[in-house]
Amino acid sequence: QVQVVQSGAELKKPGSSVKVSCKATGDTFSNSAFSWVRQAPGQGLEWMGGFIAIFGSPRYAQNFQDRVTITADESTGTVYMELSSLRSEDTAIYFCARASGFSSSWYPLDSWGQGTLVTVSS
Amino acid sequence: EIVLTQSPGTLSLSPGERATLSCRTSESVSSSYLAWYQQKPGQAPRLLIYGASTRATGIPERFRGSGSGTDFALTISRLEPEDFAVYYCQRYGRSLVFGGGTKVEIK
Repeated sequence: QVQVVQSGAELKKPGSSVKVSCKATGDTFSNSAFSWVRQAPGQGLEWMGGFIAIFGSPRYAQNFQDRVTITADESTGTVYMELSSLRSEDTAIYFCARASGFSSSWYPLDSWGQGTLVTVSS
Repeated sequence: EIVLTQSPGTLSLSPGERATLSCRTSESVSSSYLAWYQQKPGQAPRLLIYGASTRATGIPERFRGSGSGTDFALTISRLEPEDFAVYYCQRYGRSLVFGGGTKVEIK
């Protein structure tokens, strides 16, 4: 059974950056695609982008492509999401989720991390 | 980009009743690449349905997905106390896009 574990909560100042990590255990990294999903307080789910391991390159949603960077360390099976130029509206829970990654298509997210609360405040 | 519109925003029902949630897409969803998720307060979402109608592992039979093209539905045949939650539809494939969600609350 796949388990996805994320790094802990962060408190950041406006204008700074945050880097959140995500590691899945119980499955092969190379067969996986990892997505980052944001959920602002009381709001819905928003896909930020992701990383399909077999292609080794990230894809970004249009709303985030200017400020988000998704990277991966294949040796440790860890995926990272860095969001820059933080503003108060970026205060949210950031989820990492895993899907099958056998092609260039994005598949349903069948394993989710616990979420990482990022608070942006001066 | 495709837009997924879920309705109603909130559904107030009693345990044992039937719930029908709608998800309409702004363009046709190829290969029925439509999924449904359940999210309870303080928890991560959980995959319920993919391929418009296939239940994910461990999902009870009372959850049924249906539809094709631009009109999809999630039906919960008889609501159990643990089913009161927020439900999201999602188009997958070229990218991932979520609907705005439907909250199923206890009447």
